[in-house]
Amino acid sequence: QQQVKQSPQSLIVQKGGISIINCAYENTAFDYFPWYQQFPGKGPALLIAIRPDVSEKKEGRFTISFNKSAKQFSLHIMDSQPGDSATYFCAANKGAQKLVFGQGTRLTINP
Amino acid sequence: GAGVSQSPSNKVTEKGKDVELRCDPISGHTALYWYRQSLGQGLEFLIYFQGNSAPDKSGLPSDRFSAERTGGSVSTLTIQRTQQEDSAVYLCASSLVGQPQHFGDGTRLSIL
Repeated sequence: QQQVKQSPQSLIVQKGGISIINCAYENTAFDYFPWYQQFPGKGPALLIAIRPDVSEKKEGRFTISFNKSAKQFSLHIMDSQPGDSATYFCAANKGAQKLVFGQGTRLTINP
Repeated sequence: GAGVSQSPSNKVTEKGKDVELRCDPISGHTALYWYRQSLGQGLEFLIYFQGNSAPDKSGLPSDRFSAERTGGSVSTLTIQRTQQEDSAVYLCASSLVGQPQHFGDGTRLSIL
């Protein structure tokens, strides 16, 4: 009930391409869905987040798509750049409670 | 600095020793969280403090783990009688209530 499932585990995209990472959740009480970006040796940094009252949120090259009925959400990175190479985590929670994280996706952007 | 600060950044200790990990949250943040990140396990919740409320300890893996938060600010995570499976990166996050959690860079703990 508390799981967030993330795929793929790893992803290789050519520079300029679109990177897509998917997550699915089970707990319909979740009301906040952030994506975190993590570089080696650093803590996760909040990238973009969405609440279930909207189906899409865009910030620069990063877009979250949210499908409440399917209990799925995804991260799209447009015009992917080598500097986007990092590990990405989706997460979910309700209110101020603990974040439940997906297993992470290691993204590599080839120049 | 303005971010969450954790110390030490790296800790190597022998099996059976006790360790203390420190977290300085962002000033004014009333909520403080500890997570553990290990290979194959992703990011796991350990404990959550909110103001003067009783902490949510539901993620602590054993009674060897404990944490406290003094004066509503600095927090210390203590692991007693460390085991090799405790090797991981311990991450601290803080937030205003209901707002995004901001993470420190963690303490990398290695148990020999």
